[in-house]
Amino acid sequence: NAGVTQTPKFQVLKTGQSMTLQCAQDMNHEYMSWYRQDPGMGLRLIHYSVGAGITDQGEVPNGYNVSRSTTEDFPLRLLSAAPSQTSVYFCASSYSGTGLKTQYFGPGTRLLVL
Amino acid sequence: GIQVEQSPPDLILQEGANSTLRCNFSDSVNNLQWFHQNPWGQLINLFYIPSGTKQNGRLSATTVATERYSLLYISSSQTTDSGVYFCAVERAGGTSYGKLTFGQGTILTVHP
Repeated sequence: NAGVTQTPKFQVLKTGQSMTLQCAQDMNHEYMSWYRQDPGMGLRLIHYSVGAGITDQGEVPNGYNVSRSTTEDFPLRLLSAAPSQTSVYFCASSYSGTGLKTQYFGPGTRLLVL
Repeated sequence: GIQVEQSPPDLILQEGANSTLRCNFSDSVNNLQWFHQNPWGQLINLFYIPSGTKQNGRLSATTVATERYSLLYISSSQTTDSGVYFCAVERAGGTSYGKLTFGQGTILTVHP
């Protein structure tokens, strides 16, 4: 199993550009989430999904869109990048059944918006 | 929303020392996890522990849900234990969707 994969690893954007951060998992997890981590801080939830076709907002959703057309993929779209979106972005997935809800994180995408 | 406070914010140890990290949370939880973020930024799940005690090698964790805190114990620390330790919780009161709220983390530095 590859676990949770994210691409790209690093990206530089200019203000106003758009881009999509890719996230995929091969563990057949129903739950997937996107977090951002700013320097010296913990992670904050951007959007999450409880299954294909179902998404909802987290703590800091403004400026980001998500969709979930398959169980495996959960892309995050920046519609018009702003310097405030400079951050490290992590995708995570977890099992939806009863019991253990361990979250597995991808390696992260470092985004710099100039 | 739920508040998560971790202490201490920073911890410096000599190799071989023991340490205790604390996580306080402001509401009932149905999901509590401890993570280690290594110097390369990778987040590794250490424990899923909404209640009770678990051990894994030199690491152990205890969550006292009724008193709203969790402790992470590191024994015989090694330089590879360095990094940031995060506690993350999900408030109880419905289905657990994996919507975690993270604490600010404890930065651990272990010197040889």
